[in-house]
Amino acid sequence: SQTIHQWPATLVQPVGSPLSLECTVEGTSNPNLYWYRQAAGRGLQLLFYSVGIGQISSEVPQNLSASRPQDRQFILSSKKLLLSDSGFYLCAWTSGQSGSNQPQHFGDGTRLSIL
Amino acid sequence: AQSVTQLGSHVSVSEGALVLLRCNYSSSVPPYLFWYVQYPNQGLQLLLKYTTGATLVKGINGFEAEFKKSETSFHLTKPSAHMSDAAEYFCAVSLYSSASKIIFGSGTRLSIRP
Repeated sequence: SQTIHQWPATLVQPVGSPLSLECTVEGTSNPNLYWYRQAAGRGLQLLFYSVGIGQISSEVPQNLSASRPQDRQFILSSKKLLLSDSGFYLCAWTSGQSGSNQPQHFGDGTRLSIL
Repeated sequence: AQSVTQLGSHVSVSEGALVLLRCNYSSSVPPYLFWYVQYPNQGLQLLLKYTTGATLVKGINGFEAEFKKSETSFHLTKPSAHMSDAAEYFCAVSLYSSASKIIFGSGTRLSIRP
């Protein structure tokens, strides 16, 4: 069966520090991968998605970047964190062979607090 | 363009009462619709989905939703609420993109009164 792992679960970082959040999927190949941010009491905002290695699409201009160095690995990064980067970050995947009727499957998220 | 609206950011019901969470969608093509549940400090879990076929969709934990094209709605219901149902619920619609992107509603927080 397929599983998705995100780490760390929680992270407290000072303003201006770098960031690296990692997401890996097991049990499937060539998945579509997604990074979302969820601000407190709000819905999900799609930040990045990837349909293959090295292929990254950005949905909103921001202080963050994403990379996909391996088929089932998706990394969210920043060189210098801002206070506004605080939030709950979620990684998700769908089968790369699927059509638009397939749901996304989510990791457990990373709670990021910027001090 | 596809969009989804959830009516009511917070719903409170008594234990054992009917749960009704409202979702309306906008889509220029036949929609694919989803309901997710999120417990505190966790990711989203799929409750149910509608793609084609039967308009009444049954999901996990006793929830079901009915696709009503004439009303552009996909409301989520459960006959009898349990304390464990307290969570955030999100309605979502497929964006019909090759990357299988979906767009989420703003969520409804469900509280259960003892």
